[in-house]
Amino acid sequence: DTAVSQTPKYLVTQMGNDKSIKCEQNLGHDTMYWYKQDSKKFLKIMFSYNNKELIINETVPNRFSPKSPDKAHLNLHINSLELGDSAVYFCASSQDAGLAQQTGTQYFGPGTRLTVL
Amino acid sequence: AQSVTQLGSHVSVSEGALVLLRCNYSSSVPPYLFWYVQYPNQGLQLLLKYTSAATLVKGINDFEAEFKKSETSFHLTKPSAHMSDAAEYFCAVSRRDSSYKLIFGSGTRLLVRP
Repeated sequence: DTAVSQTPKYLVTQMGNDKSIKCEQNLGHDTMYWYKQDSKKFLKIMFSYNNKELIINETVPNRFSPKSPDKAHLNLHINSLELGDSAVYFCASSQDAGLAQQTGTQYFGPGTRLTVL
Repeated sequence: AQSVTQLGSHVSVSEGALVLLRCNYSSSVPPYLFWYVQYPNQGLQLLLKYTSAATLVKGINDFEAEFKKSETSFHLTKPSAHMSDAAEYFCAVSRRDSSYKLIFGSGTRLLVRP
C-alpha cells in the first residue's frame, strides 16, 4: 500500500498552460505539505495544510494555488506555467503537529517531475 | 530563523569505508533534526531523526547520527559503505511548534567506489 501517492509522476507541458498535481495520503495524517525541488536538488517548502486549513504559505507566486478537499488530499494547481516552474514537486504528510508526542516526521510521496517547454 | 548547512556537495568513499556526512544547523529554539535519503528518481525516505531523547540516534541501514548541541552539529555516519548507499542525503531541521515545516540543507551526494 502506497502511503503518500502523487499523480502524475511526469508532466510535460507548454508555457502558459494550467496544470494540476494531485496528492493523496492513506496514513490518517492531519497535515500535508508541498515542496519544490529545483534542478540543483534544493528542497523548499511551498505550502502546508492542517485539517484542510492553510497553515504555511511561503513566498510562492500567486499562480500556485493549493486545494485541500479533505485531510487526505492536497492538490496543487499552477496557472500560466513558466519555464522556471520546471522542477520536481513533492507532497508530504505528517501527524497533527499539535500533539505533544508527535515529532512532525514527514513522509514523502515519489514526486512529480514537471517540465515546462 | 532556522537553517541547515551541509558541508560537501559530493562525498566519495570506497566500499567498506566509513561514511561521514556533515550537517550543522542554526536554530533559536530546540530543534528536531532529520536525515533523509533520496535514491535516483525517487522520493525522500527518512533515515533517522533526533527529537530530544538520546543524542546518539540510530536509523535504518546501519546509519546513525549524533546530536551535539555545543557544536550545533548532527553528522551522519555509517561504519561500512555499501554500493547501495549511493544516493543524495539531506539534513533537515524543524521547529517544535505548530508549523513543523522542514528546512533542508542543500544535500550531499554520496558516491561509493568499488
